[in-house]
Amino acid sequence: KAGVTQTPRYLIKTRGQQVTLSCSPISGHRSVSWYQQTPGQGLQFLFEYFSETQRNKGNFPGRFSGRQFSNSRSEMNVSTLELGDSALYLCASSVGGSNTGELFFGEGSRLTVL
Amino acid sequence: QQQVKQSPQSLIVQKGGISIINCAYENTAFDYFPWYQQFPGKGPALLIAIRPDVSEKKEGRFTISFNKSAKQFSLHIMDSQPGDSATYFCAAFRGGSNYKLTFGKGTLLTVNP
Repeated sequence: KAGVTQTPRYLIKTRGQQVTLSCSPISGHRSVSWYQQTPGQGLQFLFEYFSETQRNKGNFPGRFSGRQFSNSRSEMNVSTLELGDSALYLCASSVGGSNTGELFFGEGSRLTVL
Repeated sequence: QQQVKQSPQSLIVQKGGISIINCAYENTAFDYFPWYQQFPGKGPALLIAIRPDVSEKKEGRFTISFNKSAKQFSLHIMDSQPGDSATYFCAAFRGGSNYKLTFGKGTLLTVNP
């Protein structure tokens, strides 16, 4: 069974630009969560989608948005990039339902903002 | 507000030794406590997990000890191996309609050969 796939793996952007990251969950998983990982803050929850609906949201500004498609694939978008947005963005999928806290993570998209 | 506090930030252990990572939580509504292991360049992977009605869970060389009254739980890695060198995250999950998974800040474990 294929794992969670994230693209692109690495990208470099400049301040003010916007970026879109993609995530393909494990087949059969309907829930997709996004996390931001930085050395200082650890893993910070961005949002979670289930059946194309945002079901939960972390404390990030509106510049961070996401969506989920009918095939459970998800994208997240960051607009007006800031230097502090440099991080590893992780996507995680789970079967869904009540969400047990058992997440399957991809390898992440490492974003560098210059 | 950091709801899950993890210590130490980094840990160096000799091969064959015991690695111990501690976590403390504040919210008594948490009802599931997973540990994740992350190797460089990889995403975190679920290692072992425990529910608060159990005081200990063992899987191979990995053991979670849970103290509900103290709101603390810890990961013990017996006979630590260089291949165990990774970052370990504890987490706490609260189920229900307003579910939430909160991670500790991680412990970088280095096992020297």
